[in-house]
Amino acid sequence: TQLLEQSPQFLSIQEGENLTVYCNSSSVFSSLQWYRQEPGEGPVLLVTVVTGGEVKKLKRLTFQFGDARKDSSLHITAAQPGDTGLYLCAGRAGGTSYGKLTFGQGTILTVHP
Amino acid sequence: GAGVSQTPSNKVTEKGKYVELRCDPISGHTALYWYRQSLGQGPEFLIYFQGTGAADDSGLPNDRFFAVRPEGSVSTLKIQRTERGDSAVYLCASSPAGTGRTHEQYFGPGTRLTVT
Repeated sequence: TQLLEQSPQFLSIQEGENLTVYCNSSSVFSSLQWYRQEPGEGPVLLVTVVTGGEVKKLKRLTFQFGDARKDSSLHITAAQPGDTGLYLCAGRAGGTSYGKLTFGQGTILTVHP
Repeated sequence: GAGVSQTPSNKVTEKGKYVELRCDPISGHTALYWYRQSLGQGPEFLIYFQGTGAADDSGLPNDRFFAVRPEGSVSTLKIQRTERGDSAVYLCASSPAGTGRTHEQYFGPGTRLTVT
């Protein structure tokens, strides 16, 4: 069974601070995705990383896929109250399990003005 | 364009009852997924359809859970003899195809099931 450990589970910071969320596994994933989820809504995709060592930037968000494709991180620079939400990493295995996503338990981020 | 829709948005049922949860995927999407999300947790995979057939049902917790997609579009998740532990938000997602490792899954808002 593939598991994704996400940390920290909760993060409460002031506007303007930087933060990093980690997603770790002992398993290799063919790709890894980061989602953001608002209360009462489904997750919305932020980014997909597929190559070991890959770095992607989305405005103030930087995503990195580990060289061995077992871990990933999300770094937010100068956080804003609008960044508040639940952040989820999700890995896609290869082979016959390519359809399903394995999610981490999520990081609840609160950015205070 | 319309996104993934799920009905009902909320369902309260008594322990032991039967429930059906419906998912309308984005038109033209061939892959459809069901996940279950408990409070404070990430979504947990239940079942994945490619067209009309279940390509992977390894996440269904037991034989009380069953899902169908008879015409390759709308899907229904059926839960028999509901238990309080079945209380969760049931999420449905669809994607254009299930074969690409980068394919985005588009999620619906979920159905919140409460078993009393």
